[in-house]
Amino acid sequence: RKEVEQDPGPFNVPEGATVAFNCTYSNSASQSFFWYRQDCRKEPKLLMSVYSSGNEDGRFTAQLNRASQYISLLIRDSKLSDSATYLCVVNVRNQGGKLIFGQGTELSVKP
Amino acid sequence: DADVTQTPRNRITKTGKRIMLECSQTKGHDRMYWYRQDPGLGLRLIYYSFDVKDINKGEISDGYSVSRQAQAKFSLSLESAIPNQTALYFCATSEGRGNGNQPQHFGDGTRLSIL
Repeated sequence: RKEVEQDPGPFNVPEGATVAFNCTYSNSASQSFFWYRQDCRKEPKLLMSVYSSGNEDGRFTAQLNRASQYISLLIRDSKLSDSATYLCVVNVRNQGGKLIFGQGTELSVKP
Repeated sequence: DADVTQTPRNRITKTGKRIMLECSQTKGHDRMYWYRQDPGLGLRLIYYSFDVKDINKGEISDGYSVSRQAQAKFSLSLESAIPNQTALYFCATSEGRGNGNQPQHFGDGTRLSIL
């Protein structure tokens, strides 16, 4: 079983749609959580950190459920520019700054 | 100018050749990392360093070596390249403070093809 698993995708949605990505992690010592965005053939870029109380950044909302070891990302009012691969990323306690990446979920927003 | 710079951006070479990928950063971060990315497998950690001359193996270090002689530079070497090392390679950096929960900042990547 992979340490971080995401919806396989791809997700194809029209502009303006709301889309949700799910992610589960297996290591209960996981302490920090992030969503990264990666455009085709480009480097991953931090989209947002995920906090226990949930957090929002504009059209993006991240949720964390430690009991279920589950993370989600909600994108409201999708834009064409949101098309990318979204990576769920976890940092495990006492392993320094090592990050464990999910395989990513591809999103394609169509006109 | 990019904060994390990788060179070369693209490289095609033959099996058995020695290859070095360079990474330099202007962010002043203590921690540096090398990943490879393959389709369907996500990013996998090759080696990481928390300080000058500190070297730690990641999950797929076989066939690779690294050098951290200065805070700003972290190089990755393939001593004798083989075709299954064909991949997209990323360098990343992060701050060294706290308990390691800082996000990482990535370079533009090096696309490496071994024929």
